[in-house]
Amino acid sequence: AQTVTQSQPEMSVQEAETVTLSCTYDTSESDYYLFWYKQPPSRQMILVIRQEAYKQQNATENRFSVNFQKAAKSFSLKISDSQLGDAAMYFCAYRSWGTSGSRLTFGEGTQLTVNP
Amino acid sequence: DAGVIQSPRHEVTEMGQEVTLRCKPISGHDYLFWYRQTMMRGLELLIYFNNNVPIDDSGMPEDRFSAKMPNASFSTLKIQPSEPRDSAVYFCASSASGAGDGYTFGSGTRLTVV
Repeated sequence: AQTVTQSQPEMSVQEAETVTLSCTYDTSESDYYLFWYKQPPSRQMILVIRQEAYKQQNATENRFSVNFQKAAKSFSLKISDSQLGDAAMYFCAYRSWGTSGSRLTFGEGTQLTVNP
Repeated sequence: DAGVIQSPRHEVTEMGQEVTLRCKPISGHDYLFWYRQTMMRGLELLIYFNNNVPIDDSGMPEDRFSAKMPNASFSTLKIQPSEPRDSAVYFCASSASGAGDGYTFGSGTRLTVV
């Protein structure tokens, strides 16, 4: 079964600085997708960024970018120029059409605090 | 599109009562998922549907939980009888067919069983 691990339960960053959240996953499949979701105190789950495993180029969405290392099964999220509104729980997630069906498998989450 | 719509947003009920949570997925999405979120267990997949058919309900905790999707625009998750350990946030999410499509989540229902 696929597993997703986020080893940092909590992280903090100063406003305007850069922070990187870590995620590793385990799979035997070759074709899959990876996602980062943000859950602010409002509890709404918001898709931040996605990465297709067959693409070597790292995905970027404005201040958010990923470092995807397929061989190492690593998928980290970098937030540049951190803003107070970035404070939230961040979940890494995996999805494929293999043995896991079409479900998203989530990591445990990383709580990000942004200090003014 | 209004997104995935869940109701109610909050529910407080007494132990032993029946609870029904509702979800309207995004039009055109053919996958619907029910998740439960707690501090202890994180996000757990309870059940998911494809084209209104339940595909995997292995995450449903026990027989007290049931879910239905009578049509493409509506799903329910029912707990009968409810217990205090069922207290959690329940999310509904929908997705199109592509694996590259992330889920769109509803706002969740915070259930408190006293």
